[in-house]
Amino acid sequence: ETGVTQSPTHLIKTRGQQVTLRCSSQSGHNTVSWYQQALGQGPQFIFQYYREEENGRGNFPPRFSGLQFPNYSSELNVNALELDDSALYLCASSSVQGGEQYFGPGTRLTVT
Amino acid sequence: DAKTTQPTSMDCAEGRAANLPCNHSTISGNEYVYWYRQIHSQGPQYIIHGLKNNETNEMASLIITEDRKSSTLILPHATLRDTAVYYCIVRVGQAGTALIFGKGTTLSVSS
Repeated sequence: ETGVTQSPTHLIKTRGQQVTLRCSSQSGHNTVSWYQQALGQGPQFIFQYYREEENGRGNFPPRFSGLQFPNYSSELNVNALELDDSALYLCASSSVQGGEQYFGPGTRLTVT
Repeated sequence: DAKTTQPTSMDCAEGRAANLPCNHSTISGNEYVYWYRQIHSQGPQYIIHGLKNNETNEMASLIITEDRKSSTLILPHATLRDTAVYYCIVRVGQAGTALIFGKGTTLSVSS
Protein backbone atom coordinates (compact mmCIF):
# COMPACT_ATOMS: atom_id res chain seq x y z
CA GLU A 1 0.00 0.00 0.00
CA THR A 2 1.48 3.35 -1.06
CA GLY A 3 1.32 6.19 1.45
CA VAL A 4 0.62 9.85 0.80
CA THR A 5 3.19 11.44 -1.48
CA GLN A 6 3.84 15.11 -2.18
CA SER A 7 5.86 17.01 -4.77
CA PRO A 8 8.08 18.85 -4.93
CA THR A 9 10.01 18.34 -1.68
CA HIS A 10 11.38 21.87 -1.61
CA LEU A 11 10.57 24.99 -3.58
CA ILE A 12 11.84 28.57 -3.65
CA LYS A 13 9.65 31.32 -5.10
CA THR A 14 9.72 35.09 -5.25
CA ARG A 15 7.09 37.33 -3.66
CA GLY A 16 4.18 37.91 -6.04
CA GLN A 17 4.64 34.65 -7.94
CA GLN A 18 2.21 31.74 -8.05
CA VAL A 19 2.90 28.16 -6.93
CA THR A 20 1.25 24.74 -7.37
CA LEU A 21 1.88 21.90 -4.93
CA ARG A 22 0.80 18.34 -5.61
CA CYS A 23 -0.42 15.45 -3.50
CA SER A 24 -1.23 11.82 -4.22
CA SER A 25 -3.60 10.21 -1.73
CA GLN A 26 -3.03 6.92 -0.04
CA SER A 27 -4.59 4.08 -2.02
CA GLY A 28 -8.35 3.83 -1.38
CA HIS A 29 -8.62 7.29 0.19
CA ASN A 30 -11.15 9.74 -1.28
CA THR A 31 -10.73 12.75 1.01
CA VAL A 32 -7.78 15.14 0.96
CA SER A 33 -6.95 17.94 3.38
CA TRP A 34 -4.23 20.57 3.15
CA TYR A 35 -2.43 22.19 6.08
CA GLN A 36 0.14 24.96 6.44
CA GLN A 37 2.81 24.68 9.13
CA ALA A 38 4.92 27.75 9.88
CA LEU A 39 8.21 27.24 11.68
CA GLY A 40 7.71 26.40 15.34
CA GLN A 41 3.91 26.16 15.04
CA GLY A 42 1.41 23.34 14.70
CA PRO A 43 -0.21 22.68 11.32
CA GLN A 44 -3.14 24.93 10.39
CA PHE A 45 -6.05 23.68 8.30
CA ILE A 46 -6.41 25.26 4.84
CA PHE A 47 -9.21 23.22 3.22
CA GLN A 48 -10.56 19.75 2.52
CA TYR A 49 -11.77 18.10 -0.68
CA TYR A 50 -14.12 15.18 -1.09
CA ARG A 51 -15.10 13.81 -4.52
CA GLU A 52 -13.62 16.86 -6.24
CA GLU A 53 -15.59 19.38 -4.17
CA GLU A 54 -14.31 21.63 -1.39
CA ASN A 55 -16.26 20.70 1.75
CA GLY A 56 -14.43 22.58 4.49
CA ARG A 57 -12.14 25.59 4.71
CA GLY A 58 -10.00 27.21 7.38
CA ASN A 59 -9.16 30.89 7.83
CA PHE A 60 -7.15 31.36 4.64
CA PRO A 61 -7.70 34.00 1.92
CA PRO A 62 -9.10 33.13 -1.54
CA ARG A 63 -5.63 33.25 -3.10
CA PHE A 64 -5.26 29.76 -1.58
CA SER A 65 -7.22 27.45 -3.84
CA GLY A 66 -7.28 23.78 -4.60
CA LEU A 67 -8.39 21.01 -6.88
CA GLN A 68 -9.10 17.34 -6.46
CA PHE A 69 -8.99 15.03 -9.47
CA PRO A 70 -11.07 11.90 -10.26
CA ASN A 71 -8.19 9.70 -9.04
CA TYR A 72 -8.38 11.64 -5.71
CA SER A 73 -5.00 13.30 -6.14
CA SER A 74 -4.98 17.00 -5.33
CA GLU A 75 -3.32 20.34 -5.96
CA LEU A 76 -2.87 23.38 -3.77
CA ASN A 77 -2.44 26.66 -5.62
CA VAL A 78 -1.27 29.86 -4.00
CA ASN A 79 -1.38 33.14 -5.93
CA ALA A 80 0.41 36.42 -5.22
CA LEU A 81 2.87 34.82 -2.83
CA GLU A 82 3.78 36.72 0.32
CA LEU A 83 6.82 36.28 2.54
CA ASP A 84 4.55 34.87 5.30
CA ASP A 85 3.54 32.03 2.98
CA SER A 86 6.93 30.47 3.67
CA ALA A 87 6.04 27.23 5.45
CA LEU A 88 5.79 23.45 5.27
CA TYR A 89 2.65 22.50 3.32
CA LEU A 90 1.15 19.20 4.34
CA CYS A 91 -1.38 17.04 2.57
CA ALA A 92 -3.39 14.41 4.41
CA SER A 93 -5.78 11.79 3.08
CA SER A 94 -8.50 9.72 4.69
CA SER A 95 -10.76 6.90 3.58
CA VAL A 96 -13.77 8.11 5.50
CA GLN A 97 -14.98 11.67 5.85
CA GLY A 98 -14.27 12.68 9.41
CA GLY A 99 -11.97 9.72 9.92
CA GLU A 100 -8.29 9.60 10.79
CA GLN A 101 -6.03 11.46 8.38
CA TYR A 102 -2.69 10.21 7.11
CA PHE A 103 -0.10 12.83 6.26
CA GLY A 104 2.50 13.09 3.53
CA PRO A 105 6.05 14.30 4.12
CA GLY A 106 5.22 17.88 3.10
CA THR A 107 6.56 20.48 0.69
CA ARG A 108 8.86 23.14 2.11
CA LEU A 109 8.06 26.46 0.40
CA THR A 110 10.38 29.42 0.81
CA VAL A 111 9.25 32.83 -0.46
CA THR A 112 11.98 35.45 -0.92
CA ASP B 1 -13.83 22.10 18.44
CA ALA B 2 -12.90 21.74 22.08
CA LYS B 3 -9.46 22.90 23.13
CA THR B 4 -6.84 20.71 24.73
CA THR B 5 -4.12 21.39 27.28
CA GLN B 6 -0.87 19.48 27.26
CA PRO B 7 2.43 19.92 29.13
CA THR B 8 5.02 21.71 27.04
CA SER B 9 7.68 19.06 27.46
CA MET B 10 8.39 15.69 29.07
CA ASP B 11 11.40 13.46 29.45
CA CYS B 12 11.50 9.67 29.44
CA ALA B 13 14.26 7.09 29.79
CA GLU B 14 14.63 4.62 26.97
CA GLY B 15 12.79 1.36 27.69
CA ARG B 16 10.42 2.94 30.20
CA ALA B 17 6.77 3.74 29.61
CA ALA B 18 5.99 7.27 28.47
CA ASN B 19 2.67 8.59 29.78
CA LEU B 20 1.53 11.76 28.02
CA PRO B 21 -1.46 13.54 29.61
CA CYS B 22 -4.06 15.70 27.88
CA ASN B 23 -6.84 17.80 29.35
CA HIS B 24 -10.00 18.36 27.32
CA SER B 25 -12.50 19.45 29.93
CA THR B 26 -14.97 21.00 27.44
CA ILE B 27 -15.17 17.99 25.13
CA SER B 28 -18.59 17.30 23.64
CA GLY B 29 -20.27 13.92 23.57
CA ASN B 30 -19.67 13.43 19.86
CA GLU B 31 -16.01 14.46 19.84
CA TYR B 32 -13.24 11.92 19.49
CA VAL B 33 -9.78 12.18 21.06
CA TYR B 34 -6.99 11.85 18.50
CA TRP B 35 -3.25 11.58 19.03
CA TYR B 36 -0.66 12.43 16.42
CA ARG B 37 3.08 12.88 16.64
CA GLN B 38 5.54 14.78 14.50
CA ILE B 39 9.19 13.94 14.27
CA HIS B 40 11.31 16.93 13.28
CA SER B 41 10.58 18.18 9.73
CA GLN B 42 8.34 15.21 8.86
CA GLY B 43 4.58 15.07 8.37
CA PRO B 44 2.46 14.27 11.45
CA GLN B 45 1.92 10.57 12.08
CA TYR B 46 -1.43 9.20 13.23
CA ILE B 47 -1.10 7.20 16.46
CA ILE B 48 -4.52 6.33 17.86
CA HIS B 49 -7.99 7.72 18.55
CA GLY B 50 -10.96 6.91 20.75
CA LEU B 51 -14.40 8.09 21.84
CA LYS B 52 -15.12 6.64 25.29
CA ASN B 53 -13.39 3.31 25.68
CA ASN B 54 -9.71 2.68 26.14
CA GLU B 55 -7.96 1.76 22.92
CA THR B 56 -4.74 -0.09 22.11
CA ASN B 57 -2.87 -0.67 18.89
CA GLU B 58 0.64 -1.68 17.90
CA MET B 59 1.98 1.78 18.65
CA ALA B 60 0.31 2.89 21.87
CA SER B 61 -2.57 2.74 24.33
CA LEU B 62 -5.12 5.48 24.91
CA ILE B 63 -6.75 5.78 28.31
CA ILE B 64 -9.81 8.09 28.48
CA THR B 65 -11.26 8.96 31.88
CA GLU B 66 -14.87 8.06 32.55
CA ASP B 67 -15.99 11.71 32.42
CA ARG B 68 -13.96 12.10 29.19
CA LYS B 69 -12.38 15.31 30.45
CA SER B 70 -8.85 13.98 30.16
CA SER B 71 -6.84 11.23 28.53
CA THR B 72 -3.39 9.68 28.61
CA LEU B 73 -1.36 8.33 25.73
CA ILE B 74 0.93 5.51 26.80
CA LEU B 75 3.98 4.39 24.84
CA PRO B 76 4.78 1.15 26.70
CA HIS B 77 8.52 0.92 25.95
CA ALA B 78 9.85 4.23 24.68
CA THR B 79 12.78 4.24 22.27
CA LEU B 80 14.97 7.07 21.01
CA ARG B 81 12.89 7.10 17.82
CA ASP B 82 9.84 8.12 19.87
CA THR B 83 11.38 11.56 20.46
CA ALA B 84 8.83 13.88 18.83
CA VAL B 85 6.12 16.48 19.39
CA TYR B 86 2.89 14.74 20.45
CA TYR B 87 -0.43 16.41 19.68
CA CYS B 88 -3.70 15.65 21.44
CA ILE B 89 -6.69 16.77 19.34
CA VAL B 90 -10.44 16.55 19.89
CA ARG B 91 -12.60 16.49 16.81
CA VAL B 92 -16.10 15.70 15.68
CA GLY B 93 -16.03 12.80 13.27
CA GLN B 94 -17.92 14.40 10.41
CA ALA B 95 -17.26 15.58 6.89
CA GLY B 96 -15.27 18.74 6.38
CA THR B 97 -13.88 18.89 9.87
CA ALA B 98 -10.23 19.68 10.41
CA LEU B 99 -7.61 18.56 12.87
CA ILE B 100 -6.89 21.59 15.07
CA PHE B 101 -3.31 21.33 16.27
CA GLY B 102 -2.17 23.08 19.45
CA LYS B 103 1.42 23.33 20.59
CA GLY B 104 1.67 19.71 21.72
CA THR B 105 4.10 18.05 24.11
CA THR B 106 7.75 17.66 23.16
CA LEU B 107 8.77 14.20 24.38
CA SER B 108 12.50 13.63 24.73
CA VAL B 109 13.61 10.02 25.14
CA SER B 110 17.16 9.53 26.31
CA SER B 111 19.40 6.52 26.85
